[in-house]
Amino acid sequence: SSELTQDPAVSVALGQTVRITCQGGSLRRYYASWYQQKPGQAPLLVIYGKNNRPSGIPDRFSGSSSGNTASLTVTGAQAEDEADYYCHSRDSSGNHYVFGTGTKVSVL
Amino acid sequence: QVQLQQWGAGLLKPSETLSLTCAVHGGSFSGYYWSWIRQPPGEGLEWIGESDHSGNTNYNPSLKSRVTMSVDTSKNQFSLKLSSVTAADTALYYCARVLRGRRYSSGNYYYFYAMDVWGQGTTVTVSS
Repeated sequence: SSELTQDPAVSVALGQTVRITCQGGSLRRYYASWYQQKPGQAPLLVIYGKNNRPSGIPDRFSGSSSGNTASLTVTGAQAEDEADYYCHSRDSSGNHYVFGTGTKVSVL
Repeated sequence: QVQLQQWGAGLLKPSETLSLTCAVHGGSFSGYYWSWIRQPPGEGLEWIGESDHSGNTNYNPSLKSRVTMSVDTSKNQFSLKLSSVTAADTALYYCARVLRGRRYSSGNYYYFYAMDVWGQGTTVTVSS
């Protein structure tokens, strides 16, 4: 079982805001990174560090963290944001990586 | 722009050794860590292991006894071997570059690790 827990699925109305959370003890010491994965595609890094977006990622994606919970917020969700989202960080030992369980985001 | 190109055998029999290679094009090989990740059909992502350009490795404890990663700096390539495969190793395998950094805040360092470039993926099926 993963040390990073995510809600299995969330839905959001087109143009509204959705927050995806990732919980784990290691997040008190390490930032989470977030990946978007669409069917048949490799994961795409969308947020890393405190709140950094790789080049080409729209600014409607943002990240935050509090205690043992990291969050990815999509402000003004678009149809193309429908995908699986995974968080990623170190495990509780700090020596290895772990991915979250994944959240399927549906845009209605 | 950095691109990762990966290849390897896609169909294996139980007990055989999985072997994949990932080539780094258009960017630096040194100064980064390089990882392998896999995704069983319909499931989530699982980290397998990582290596730096010098060949220092770090493996997922659950796979450590069967995993070997190596690097070839002359070719800007890194490789994965997974021995004694079973049907449970059937998955889409990805290589990725790992971006590392830290931020100082309120008297503490906070670290991040992010896989910012991914290969196209290789489907590996284990079947008798």
